[in-house]
Amino acid sequence: SAVISQKPSRDICQRGTSLTIQCQVDSQVTMMFWYRQQPGQSLTLIATANQGSEATYESGFVIDKFPISRPNLTFSTLTVSNMSPEDSSIYLCSVLDSGGLNNEQFFGPGTRLTVL
Amino acid sequence: AQKVTQAQTEISVVEKEDVTLDCVYETRDTTYYLFWYKQPPSGELVFLIRRNSFDEQNEISGRYSWNFQKSTSSFNFTITASQVVDSAVYFCALSEGSYNTDKLIFGTGTRLQVFP
Repeated sequence: SAVISQKPSRDICQRGTSLTIQCQVDSQVTMMFWYRQQPGQSLTLIATANQGSEATYESGFVIDKFPISRPNLTFSTLTVSNMSPEDSSIYLCSVLDSGGLNNEQFFGPGTRLTVL
Repeated sequence: AQKVTQAQTEISVVEKEDVTLDCVYETRDTTYYLFWYKQPPSGELVFLIRRNSFDEQNEISGRYSWNFQKSTSSFNFTITASQVVDSAVYFCALSEGSYNTDKLIFGTGTRLQVFP
C-alpha cells in the first residue's frame, strides 16, 4: 500500500494569512485528492489533483481560495488562502493506488489547522 | 444523487459485546464501490474494506465482518467481541464509477465507544 506523509502535521495561523500543505507519496500514483474534515464532521472532497493539468474542484470550493499544485506523480500541495476561523479543519491528502487491480484509496495522516 | 447515511451518531458498548454499525447508500450507478474507514482519536483514517457492487458475498476478517445487501442498499459492519481499542469514529463511504476513480462520498460517521 502507498505510504503518504503530510507537512505540517498541525499549525496555528492568524486570520488573513495563507498556509501551504504538502503531500508526499512513496510511489507514483495517478490520482490524488484533497479532503477537508471540519471539527466533528465528516470528510468533504475539496478537489482532485491531476498531474500536468488544473485541479478539478468540487462545488463550493474555488481555486482562488484553495490553489493546488501537482508537479509530478508523487507530490501535491494545497494552499489555504486568506484564512478565517471557519477554515479550521483537518486537511487530508488521499491517493488512489492503482497498482494491480485493487485501486485502493489511502489517506495521509492529515494536517490539523487552527485559525485564530 | 449519491448519498451515504449512517443513522447512528454514537454507540456505546461494554467490552466483549458485539456491535453493528449501519450504513445505507444511494446511487444511480450500477457499478460502485463501498468502503469502511476507521478514524481513531489520533485522527488518521485507516482503510478497513472495499467492496464492489457486483460482489455481494459477505466478508469476515478476524473480529470484523461486513454484510452487503443490494436489495436494501446497505453495507453494515459488525465488530464481534469488541475491545477498547475499537473505540473510534467509523466512516462508510461510496465511490461511483467502473474504475473506482471517482471521489469518495462519506457518511457522517458513527462514534463507537467501548468501555472496559
